[in-house]
Amino acid sequence: AQSVTQLDSQVPVFEEAPVELRCNYSSSVSVYLFWYVQYPNQGLQLLLKYLSGSTLVKGINGFEAEFNKSQTSFHLRKPSVHISDTAEYFCAVSRTGNQFYFGTGTSLTVIP
Amino acid sequence: NAGVMQNPRHLVRRRGQEARLRCSPMKGHSHVYWYRQLPEEGLKFMVYLQKENIIDESGMPKERFSAEFPKEGPSILRIQQVVRGDSAAYFCASSGGRGMNTEAFFGQGTRLTVV
Repeated sequence: AQSVTQLDSQVPVFEEAPVELRCNYSSSVSVYLFWYVQYPNQGLQLLLKYLSGSTLVKGINGFEAEFNKSQTSFHLRKPSVHISDTAEYFCAVSRTGNQFYFGTGTSLTVIP
Repeated sequence: NAGVMQNPRHLVRRRGQEARLRCSPMKGHSHVYWYRQLPEEGLKFMVYLQKENIIDESGMPKERFSAEFPKEGPSILRIQQVVRGDSAAYFCASSGGRGMNTEAFFGQGTRLTVV
């Protein structure tokens, strides 16, 4: 079985400040890791994914995430956030790459 | 993800009525996944279908919920005798296959409100 824990339900941050959204997972089998973003009243958009290889993954909109196997974490970071980054962010795991187990989400609010 | 079309975008039903949610996958995709997002929660997997087959329905409630993906036409998620607790956003995703090299794309969801 797989599960995902997003430790922070809400993260307020000032514009142009750095941000880290935390994600920890547990799984009895090897899984792939994903971050999705959901803008208000929209569907989910893939930010980035880790399948294998380099543990530092770069995604769209300046986001990156680091896979840490020993800590079973996949934290999302951005060095400088914009107002437009205000959204809900979901961490997810998958064994197949397209059937997911999602965390409960982190609401990122960028303050002008 | 604009390629996955869900309709309607918003659906209001009275308790006891039936709700039908439609999902047209991206062109060329034959794998469809349904997820439910309850208020203040993440998305929960419900069912995985290929054309004319249910592959995995481990997340479907045992009663009142059913899904199909016919040879022709969209995938349908059907909820009979809706209750207030069914109020949620229902998302559909599609992919061209099942594997790490086939990305799943999400639709914009159907927001069901039961009054």
